[in-house]
Amino acid sequence: ETGVTQSPTHLIKTRGQQVTLRCSSQSGHNTVSWYQQALGQGPQFIFQYYREEENGRGNFPPRFSGLQFPNYSSELNVNALELDDSALYLCASSLGLGGGFANTQYFGPGTRLTVL
Amino acid sequence: AQKITQTQPGMFVQEKEAVTLDCTYDTSDQSYGLFWYKQPSSGEMIFLIYQGSYDEQNATEGRYSLNFQKARKSANLVISASQLGDSAMYFCAMREGGGAQKLVFGQGTRLTINP
Repeated sequence: ETGVTQSPTHLIKTRGQQVTLRCSSQSGHNTVSWYQQALGQGPQFIFQYYREEENGRGNFPPRFSGLQFPNYSSELNVNALELDDSALYLCASSLGLGGGFANTQYFGPGTRLTVL
Repeated sequence: AQKITQTQPGMFVQEKEAVTLDCTYDTSDQSYGLFWYKQPSSGEMIFLIYQGSYDEQNATEGRYSLNFQKARKSANLVISASQLGDSAMYFCAMREGGGAQKLVFGQGTRLTINP
């Protein structure tokens, strides 16, 4: 069983550019959540996708957008990059929605984005 | 709004000792889940243990146990017989029922195990 994978591992961009980060969910998982973790902070929820539909969004501007594909992999797109977007971006997948241990979120290794 | 508080920015423990990492939470929901994750310097969040709000017994998973005190809204992680490989950041997180199944994280505790 393959775990959650993310690409690329590291990325360096300049202010104003656009970036796309990718995530492959764990086998059998149909829900993907994205988090931003600034240095020294806990992760902050960006949004969640369930069966290709957005299922909730955190306090992030519209220049943060996403997609989920039929195979449940997902992309996070960030337009008009700002210096404060420099962070570790974590993707997590879960079996589905709902509570309980069964829907625990399992994380990928993250993509470290640096904006210069 | 839900909130997680971890009051220990850093902890230093001797190898083989037990350690307790503190976590308190705030929520108005009756149904919620509490999680602990470990984050080594590599960055990946590793799931350790889960406690449901309706679970009457404290969760255990190998050397990890969760001391759940619902009335005090605390969910402390206990690591028994600590090992050098336990050195990492530890995050407490909460997931409420309904809507987006988002996790709300605390600020984390950096645990250092000394030989």
